[in-house]
This record gives sequence, structure tokens and C-alpha cells, in this order.
Amino acid sequence: NAGVTQTPKFRILKIGQSMTLQCAQDMNHNYMYWYRQDPGMGLKLIYYSVGAGITDKGEVPNGYNVSRSTTEDFPLRLELAAPSQTSVYFCASSPSGTLYGYTFGSGTRLTVV
Amino acid sequence: EDKVVQSPLSLVVHEGDTVTLNCSYEVTNFRSLLWYKQEKKAPTFLFMLTSSGIEKKSGRLSSILDKKELFSILNITATQTGDSAVYLCAVPLSGGGADGLTFGKGTHLIIQP
Repeated sequence: NAGVTQTPKFRILKIGQSMTLQCAQDMNHNYMYWYRQDPGMGLKLIYYSVGAGITDKGEVPNGYNVSRSTTEDFPLRLELAAPSQTSVYFCASSPSGTLYGYTFGSGTRLTVV
Repeated sequence: EDKVVQSPLSLVVHEGDTVTLNCSYEVTNFRSLLWYKQEKKAPTFLFMLTSSGIEKKSGRLSSILDKKELFSILNITATQTGDSAVYLCAVPLSGGGADGLTFGKGTHLIIQP
């Protein structure tokens, strides 16, 4: 089925390790987003992209990096994992902003120990 | 700073009851308000509201926006156990962010048989 695919679904990292969360969409959407969701909280925007080669910071970008080399892919990089990055991460895409709503991926549950 | 406040944070009712979920917001440049349903994984889109006083309806769910008083409500009539979920309210970020969203903490709704 068409949609947003996130990998991995679960991951445990040690403090100081690095990893990349993968996100791919096959709907030719221009806009892509990364959110994190902590227990009992709403989603917080980490980074977003309005098209290939263009990225920008959201509300909580510290400790993360992104790239957008193609329309389809929008990976999120954690360079030096910290316990504060323990969260569920959601990738989302949209044809052009909230006018059409978002399509969310199924999420990656990350634990940093 | 953009702010979205949902109430109640949790609610337990019996099947067949009607529930009303509340969302108040403070944003500098209001454009729209969105409701999402989140079960175990990714949020799924319910409604987008842009105009005051116009009800959006989908089956047993309905929502309305009051732009003067800066709030929205989500009603669910004849609740079923499948309505159990976290309901999230969100508004686009004032500063642009390509329509990145600010989310409330959500209302955790539990429907008991």
C-alpha cells in the first residue's frame, strides 16, 4: 500500500551511540516532517522539508540532523544519543502543508540507555 | 508562543454515552485547527476546521470551531469500544514551518463495555 514507511520500528541505543531513522514515502509529496512524542504529550516538530534539498528546523531540533536528497526519503540522524531522546518518532508527509492533512508513518520507538 | 490546550486529559465512559472533548488555542496567525485520532500507532486525520460555526460531521463524530472564543469541540455520540483512543487537537505553527503543527497533549478516551 502507498504511504509513509518508517524503519526500524523499535531500537535500543546506548548513550553516545549514533543512528539514522529512515522515512520513505511513495506519494510524491513535497512536504515531509519529523515529530517526536513523549509519554502523555502531544507531538513536537523536530525538522521539516518542503522539497528535495531544502530542510529547516522545527520546535525541538537540538541533537538531530536531517537531509532530503530525494523527494521520497527524509532520514533523521541522531549523532550522540542521550536519554532525553527516548521517545516515539513519527515521520509524516503532505502534498503541500496542512491543507490536505498529513499521512503519518507507523512510528519508531527509541530507547536510549 | 503557540499553545494548544486540551481537556479533559483523560475520560472514562460507558458504551453508548456521548462525549465532548475540548480544545482551546492561542496562535498569532490562525489558519486552521485539526483533529486526529491516535490508537496504538500513528495519528489518523479526522477533521480540519477553518471557519467558525460550521460543523464538520463524519458518522457519529462531529466537530465545530469558535474563532471568537478560540476553541473547538469534538463530539462523539453513541460511543463504541472502538472509539477508545487518544484524540489530538493541533494548529499550524504561526511562524510558518511549512504548516508544521503544534499539538495539544491529547485526551485519552476509554470506552467501557
